[in-house]
Amino acid sequence: QVQLVESGGGVVQPGRSLRLSCAASGFTFRNYAIHWVRQAPGKGLEWVAVIYYDGSNKYYADSVKGRFTISRDNSKDTAYLQMNSLRGDETAVYHCARESGNPSSPHMDVWGRGTTVTVSS
Amino acid sequence: EIVMTQSPAILSVSPGERATLSCRASQSVSNNLAWYQQKPGQAPRRLIYGASTRATGTPARFSGSGSGTEFTLTISSLQSEDFAVYYCQQYNNWPVYTFGQGTKLEIK
Repeated sequence: QVQLVESGGGVVQPGRSLRLSCAASGFTFRNYAIHWVRQAPGKGLEWVAVIYYDGSNKYYADSVKGRFTISRDNSKDTAYLQMNSLRGDETAVYHCARESGNPSSPHMDVWGRGTTVTVSS
Repeated sequence: EIVMTQSPAILSVSPGERATLSCRASQSVSNNLAWYQQKPGQAPRRLIYGASTRATGTPARFSGSGSGTEFTLTISSLQSEDFAVYYCQQYNNWPVYTFGQGTKLEIK
């Protein structure tokens, strides 16, 4: 079935780096844009970044611009989020999500369960 | 940035009753709005997109309405599995998506 599975979360000290992965299955990964969305404990959803289906364009939330990098490897059906200079308030569950293939309605139609990132000394 | 405001924050309703959740945008998002359901420890699940189109698998008791800045998600007769947190999301300002803060639907 159509599925996204995140991995790579863990405990990291403030100022350090972490790379998250998002493995796709059940659909043609190279045809879809992929987003990352995070959710701090007890809080709502915050959009983080998106990458085009072919990796040609990437966009970021202002809060992570210059520190986070989104990428993908279509040969491995996997997207990544490289997070540098992490801060304590970035402790969250990080979800990846597929953007629907409908250009007139580019919402997120498939989500992963997320991977937990804890930024703490 | 488009700010999405959901109300109420918590809604207590009895099973079998009707629930009405609201979402307001700080500026027009046309009909570029989606509703998601999230249960503890689970991924968000898409329910509605285009403000009123039910996604495949979304029960008919869920309906979305509105356009511009005012939107509503209605659940006509609550089932036990419907108690969850609901988020609205605008995608009019692609690619900068914004979500509401969520409405927790709890059993009365």
